Amino acid sequence: EAQVTQNPRYLITVTGKKLTVTCSQNMNHEYMSWYRQDPGLGLRQIYYSMNVEVTDKGDVPEGYKVSRKEKRNFPLILESPSPNQTSLYFCASSTGPMNTEAFFGQGTRLTVV
Amino acid sequence: GESVGLHLPTLSVQEGDNSIINCAYSNSASDYFIWYKQESGKGPQFIIDIRSNMDKRQGQRVTVLLNKTVKHLSLQIAATQPGDSAVYFCAENAGQAGTALIFGKGTTLSVSS
Repeated sequence: EAQVTQNPRYLITVTGKKLTVTCSQNMNHEYMSWYRQDPGLGLRQIYYSMNVEVTDKGDVPEGYKVSRKEKRNFPLILESPSPNQTSLYFCASSTGPMNTEAFFGQGTRLTVV
Repeated sequence: GESVGLHLPTLSVQEGDNSIINCAYSNSASDYFIWYKQESGKGPQFIIDIRSNMDKRQGQRVTVLLNKTVKHLSLQIAATQPGDSAVYFCAENAGQAGTALIFGKGTTLSVSS
């Protein structure tokens, strides 16, 4: 089954404690991206990757890092989480840079206290 | 700046009615648009897309209309069912070389029996 898998689904952490949210897709997609979803603000892109070792900033990259060492995985790293990063995060993948259907993961609800 | 917005945050309909969800976009250069459905606790799910060289596209029970003159997009759902209850987002490709999807803030569709 074609899918995008995120882990964990839920996470509560403390300010400053580094964390990683993993994302994996099994569709051999080249393009992957991370979004955060906040009430009243919709979905905003954090980072995207057009292929292995190729990543770039989206609209709200501050406080986040990503890596793309292999095609299927695109982890999101918060080196020093802060409460304003409390949000619902989605990973997405597609065959190309957003001119085709994007498949989304189930989401990761992160709370930073 | 580039933005995609929805006219109404909520829409309530009776089962069996037709639903129309509207979306206005601001970037005249956008050439690809998508509608997503997001059910509670899940990631956005692709419904239908349309490219700017078309003004109408039909799927199963759904139709997307694109009016480039007034930069307006709409999603029509025929014979709305309770299972259609969700948040609906329109999105346009944007950014350099279409590297990002810009999402609207969403319309919550509630279907009552």
